Amino acid sequence: AQKVTQAQTEISVVEKEDVTLDCVYETRDTTYYLFWYKQPPSGELVFLIRRNSFDEQNEISGRYSWNFQKSTSSFNFTITASQVVDSAVYFCALSNTDKLIFGTGTRLQVFP
Amino acid sequence: GAGVSQSPRYKVAKRGQDVALRCDPISGHVSLFWYQQALGQGPEFLTYFQNEAQLDKSGLPSDRFFAERPEGSVSTLKIQRTQQEDSAVYLCASRLADYTDTQYFGPGTRLTVL
Repeated sequence: AQKVTQAQTEISVVEKEDVTLDCVYETRDTTYYLFWYKQPPSGELVFLIRRNSFDEQNEISGRYSWNFQKSTSSFNFTITASQVVDSAVYFCALSNTDKLIFGTGTRLQVFP
Repeated sequence: GAGVSQSPRYKVAKRGQDVALRCDPISGHVSLFWYQQALGQGPEFLTYFQNEAQLDKSGLPSDRFFAERPEGSVSTLKIQRTQQEDSAVYLCASRLADYTDTQYFGPGTRLTVL
């Protein structure tokens, strides 16, 4: 069975702090994709990143970085120097065919 | 270009009423998905179309839920005889082609059943 676990329900930080959102996944497949989406208060899911299971290279995009480790089945997301606009619910998701399997999300609140 | 659009954004229905939710995918996207998101939860898969063919409807919670995409573009999710447990946000996503592509989501329709 496929499963995504986001153990952190809610995280609160003060602006400019670094914050890491954890994601652990379960799958028996050797080929799969991992995703992070952001859901701001407006409700729309905004795509952030996609990684395939054969590419463990970490990725950095501005203040965002992702650490993919197959050995621990984790795909963690770090925001450096957080800003108030980063406040949202962040979802990690897994896919090996068509549908996405989402975690329960982590609500990030960044206070000024 | 335009993203995925959904209408209405909000819908209030009395228990027992039928509702229809519309999704306009990104132009040229072959695949279309419907997800249901309950309050405080992650989205859960309902059904999937490739062009006009409904390839997977394993996530539809009951036979009161029906989805169609007759011309391979716009899709409608219909819920008959709505129940309170149907209250949720219904998200539509589209994807260019196959599972190696990314799903892009619309803003959702928040359904409240009274």
